Amino acid sequence: QKEVEQNSGPLSVPEGAIASLNCTYSDRGSQSFFWYRQYSGKSPELIMFIYSNGDKEDGRFTAQLNKASQYVSLLIRDSQPSDSATYLCAVISYNQGGKLIFGQGTELSVKP
Amino acid sequence: DTEVTQTPKHLVMGMTNKKSLKCEQHMGHRAMYWYKQKAKKPPELMFVYSYEKLSINESVPSRFSPECPNSSLLNLHLHALQPEDSALYLCASSRQVDSGGAYEQYFGPGTRLTVT
Repeated sequence: QKEVEQNSGPLSVPEGAIASLNCTYSDRGSQSFFWYRQYSGKSPELIMFIYSNGDKEDGRFTAQLNKASQYVSLLIRDSQPSDSATYLCAVISYNQGGKLIFGQGTELSVKP
Repeated sequence: DTEVTQTPKHLVMGMTNKKSLKCEQHMGHRAMYWYKQKAKKPPELMFVYSYEKLSINESVPSRFSPECPNSSLLNLHLHALQPEDSALYLCASSRQVDSGGAYEQYFGPGTRLTVT
């Protein structure tokens, strides 16, 4: 089992729809969870972080964390073509001395 | 301000060359990182510096040599690289490294390295 798992996609949604990106993790001791957006040829950009169970909203982005189910998700409301990118889920591993463990990334395509 | 800068943006080097990548942050962060990223893959951790001391080396070949001259600067010295080392090299920083801590990592724009 991979430490952090994401659907690789591509996930295709129409403009204006809600995009839902999902991530599961195996280290039950993990406390810190991050979503990075990476455009092709660019570096990862931190867009959301969440440390407590529940929802955290920032503009059109909502991160959701369920530690009991070891599940974290990212919702993007009113998706725009400019949201088309790869989204990386990352978790700080308690078992590995604070290393940031990435999922393989989900490619999102928002169609006009 | 969450800016991490990296130079150069692009680097082409032969297998016998010696070159260095540079990274700088002025956020007062005490942890700095080097990652390597290949196309369609997530970043792969290479080194971690915590309070200017090397704390993690992910069994990286000795042809990669990191250096942290001070809390704001991080270098990666390259020597006798192989074509398979061609990749995007990313620097990142965070307030600290702590297995229980909640410290966001911010990435620089990266250096696109091509080894010929």
